[in-house]
Amino acid sequence: QVQLKESGPGLVKPSQTLSLTCTVSGGSVSSGSHYWTWIRQPAGKGLEWIGRIHASGTTDSNPSLQSRLTISVDTSKNQFSLRLTSVTAADTAVYYCASYDILTGSAYYFDYWGQGALVAVSS
Amino acid sequence: EVVLTQSPATLSLSPGDRAALSCRASHYISTYLAWYQQRPGQAPRLLIYDASNRATGIPARFSGSGSGTDFTLTISSLEPEDFAVYYCQQRNNWPRTFGGGTKVEIK
Repeated sequence: QVQLKESGPGLVKPSQTLSLTCTVSGGSVSSGSHYWTWIRQPAGKGLEWIGRIHASGTTDSNPSLQSRLTISVDTSKNQFSLRLTSVTAADTAVYYCASYDILTGSAYYFDYWGQGALVAVSS
Repeated sequence: EVVLTQSPATLSLSPGDRAALSCRASHYISTYLAWYQQRPGQAPRLLIYDASNRATGIPARFSGSGSGTDFTLTISSLEPEDFAVYYCQQRNNWPRTFGGGTKVEIK
């Protein structure tokens, strides 16, 4: 079973770049049937889909974040990453990595999640 | 963007009660809707996908229904561990979107 774990700085200064990594175990980021996703949740609020990547390098992003967002995959480390530039306080949230396998019945829904990483944007 | 509106925002019920949670989509999304449960301090957990299919390991007391723009998650008899926040999510359109959530709290 796929396990995901987020890592990265818990505090980022305004206007700087937020970087997070998701380490995958029990599966491979090189899998052709998996999509690797980032989702965030501001404190006390709902969930926002950020974007996804496939092992081929194909990405899809939320238009609201697209101009500031980069999602990449590192097959040698079995990881995928998020970079969000020019952050503001509005980017403060718990960031989750999640995944799904298009070969399963629940394809395209998020059935594996990391524990979440809290990132605060503050000077 | 498909906006998902969940109601009510809060549902106050007792263990053993039946819960009915609503999710309404701003555009037609066929049956491409999922429900997630989120307990405090935890990541969401997939309960229902494609409107009415239970995910692996989900108890039979959870059921989903609906199509088009109106969907319902029903919990037939609330267990203590079911008091949590529930989110709907659509996969018919980009970007993927979630509803604002319904909190099921103990009355």
